[in-house]
Amino acid sequence: GAVVSQHPSRVICKSGTSVKIECRSLDFQATTMFWYRQFPKKSLMLMATSNEGSKATYEQGVEKDKFLINHASLTLSTLTVTSAHPEDSSFYICSALGSSGANVLTFGAGSRLTVL
Amino acid sequence: QQQVKQSPQSLIVQKGGISIINCAYENTAFDYFPWYQQFPGKGPALLIAIRPDVSEKKEGRFTISFNKSAKQFSLHIMDSQPGDSATYFCAATPGGGGNKLTFGTGTQLKVEL
Repeated sequence: GAVVSQHPSRVICKSGTSVKIECRSLDFQATTMFWYRQFPKKSLMLMATSNEGSKATYEQGVEKDKFLINHASLTLSTLTVTSAHPEDSSFYICSALGSSGANVLTFGAGSRLTVL
Repeated sequence: QQQVKQSPQSLIVQKGGISIINCAYENTAFDYFPWYQQFPGKGPALLIAIRPDVSEKKEGRFTISFNKSAKQFSLHIMDSQPGDSATYFCAATPGGGGNKLTFGTGTQLKVEL
């Protein structure tokens, strides 16, 4: 079945630094990837939609300069949290939609970001 | 209009019992309704999904019931097991599933021995 890998699974950084999270589709090509943020015991909130070769579409209220998304290839999308602050601490999850037309989203295992 | 309301927030069921989680939506453009299971520290995994052209879909111990006129759908877990203890999210999307999902608020299920 389709597999989406996220790296790193956990990251701790100092306030003011930038952190990059990778989302890879391992056995399929993903034309579209979605990035979500999840707070403890809360639902998933969509941050942005990432299409290969084009600029990401951000949801209302999400700072595009804060959360940089790059989808440079059909198997890789990255989320960079720039100048991270403690309030950016969260669980970030990506999902990928295959180009085969199956219309099934596959989620990564998530990345836990802790900003000190 | 984009919200998906989910209840209950938490649920405790005895082993072997039936777990029932309910969701309601407003947007009539939604035409794909998946349920996801999430374990702590992991991403959601697709459990089962339904389209509005059927009223029920069953896969093993998991059944989705769908009421199009009431704009409600529910997940039934038969013979609930301790390994089913997880957070369950309903979701909805237009366009057959290839678009962004709108998630419910989640239900924490605990199955006790």
